[in-house]
Amino acid sequence: QEQLVQSGAAVKKPGASVKVSCKTSGFTFTGFQIHWVRQAPGQGLEWMGWINPNSGGTNSAEKFRGRVTMTRDTSTTTAYMELHRLISDDAAVYYCARNRHDYGQAFDVWGQGTMVTVSS
Amino acid sequence: SYVLTQPPSLSVAPGKTARISCGGITFGSKTVHWYQQKPGQAPVLVIYYETARPSGIPERFSGSSSGNTATLTITRVEAGDEADYFCQVWLDGSDLWVFGGGTKLTVL
Repeated sequence: QEQLVQSGAAVKKPGASVKVSCKTSGFTFTGFQIHWVRQAPGQGLEWMGWINPNSGGTNSAEKFRGRVTMTRDTSTTTAYMELHRLISDDAAVYYCARNRHDYGQAFDVWGQGTMVTVSS
Repeated sequence: SYVLTQPPSLSVAPGKTARISCGGITFGSKTVHWYQQKPGQAPVLVIYYETARPSGIPERFSGSSSGNTATLTITRVEAGDEADYFCQVWLDGSDLWVFGGGTKLTVL
């Protein structure tokens, strides 16, 4: 079945970088954009950006441009999101999600989430 | 910037109808989607393309829109519907995605 499985929780110091992985299975990896969404404690969902696993092309919300790097490994059908220069406000659960073009660009499959803690 | 406005909370008795609004939608946009999120879980898509339901989502969940406001309607509300609900749009001109602030649905 279609699945996104993310890496485990991470604890990072301010100024460091965190890299979250999203292992896909059950569907053609290069056929769907993979998006990244985060959720700070007690807050709403915040869209971060996407990667096209076929071309490697990316786009991100203006807020994260220059600070986020999204990559993929087609041999392992895994997408990655790396956030640099972490601050305390980056503490959140980070989700990857599959985009369905034929669903009007809705996200139909989600990873389980990765909690990132930023603490000195 | 594009802002979607949802009421922070809504309380409904079991068996009644819940209507959750999402304001600020570009008039005529069909790329409006709704997600349900229960505590400690990832979001689940419940409505896409404004009115369509993914397989496995009960018919009690429906979507509509009027003017600049989209609405998620849940009929015959059950205790298991208690969750946060988020609307989302895709801005095709700028290829960006935006979420509403979310509505916490409490079943009395």
